[in-house]
Amino acid sequence: EPEVTQTPSHQVTQMGQEVILRCVPISNHLYFYWYRQILGQKVEFLVSFYNNEISEKSEIFDDQFSVERPDGSNFTLKIRSTKLEDSAMYFCASKPPRPTGSYFGPGTRLTVT
Amino acid sequence: SQKIEQNSEALNIQEGKTATLTCNYTNYSPAYLQWYRQDPGRGPVFLLLIRENEKEKRKERLKVTFDTTLKQSLFHITASQPADSATYLCALDSRGSTLGRLYFGRGTQLTVWP
Repeated sequence: EPEVTQTPSHQVTQMGQEVILRCVPISNHLYFYWYRQILGQKVEFLVSFYNNEISEKSEIFDDQFSVERPDGSNFTLKIRSTKLEDSAMYFCASKPPRPTGSYFGPGTRLTVT
Repeated sequence: SQKIEQNSEALNIQEGKTATLTCNYTNYSPAYLQWYRQDPGRGPVFLLLIRENEKEKRKERLKVTFDTTLKQSLFHITASQPADSATYLCALDSRGSTLGRLYFGRGTQLTVWP
């Protein structure tokens, strides 16, 4: 069964550094998302992406964040200058164009020191 | 303010019994309500989706109900097994949102003991 994959599984970075989190969504899906989950808290929406552009973003997704779909398969989340409070699990998700749930990847644990 | 509340953070039941988890929401008008399973350190796994005009949905040992008047969904696992132990998340979309942005509850941690 197709799966969403994410790399790396764990990223440690210093405050102020840039990080890029990578995702390969399921191939016939058209809608792509990033969510994050701070330890012990709920899953929070960051951004949705469709037809090569951002469809919606939350208040968390400020100017430090950006997303790209550089080719037909990868979907990336960039954080330009990481802060301590960016430490969280980041989940990529994708969805086909029909009423169904979203398919989440295994996540990247980002630790900012 | 908008809220999604899931009953008690933890639920412990004996194997073979039915687990019932509750999701209540305020100040949302979802077209769909979804349930996910999340294991520690893993991503949510989609289980079931129920539409606003559906009262009940079943999939194997799982059953979901959706009452838009009460603003409540119940999630049942019948004949529960220790392998069902996980955190279960309620999620809903919002009419004002495009493309399936989801709002999640904090989850209920279910433990099924032998």
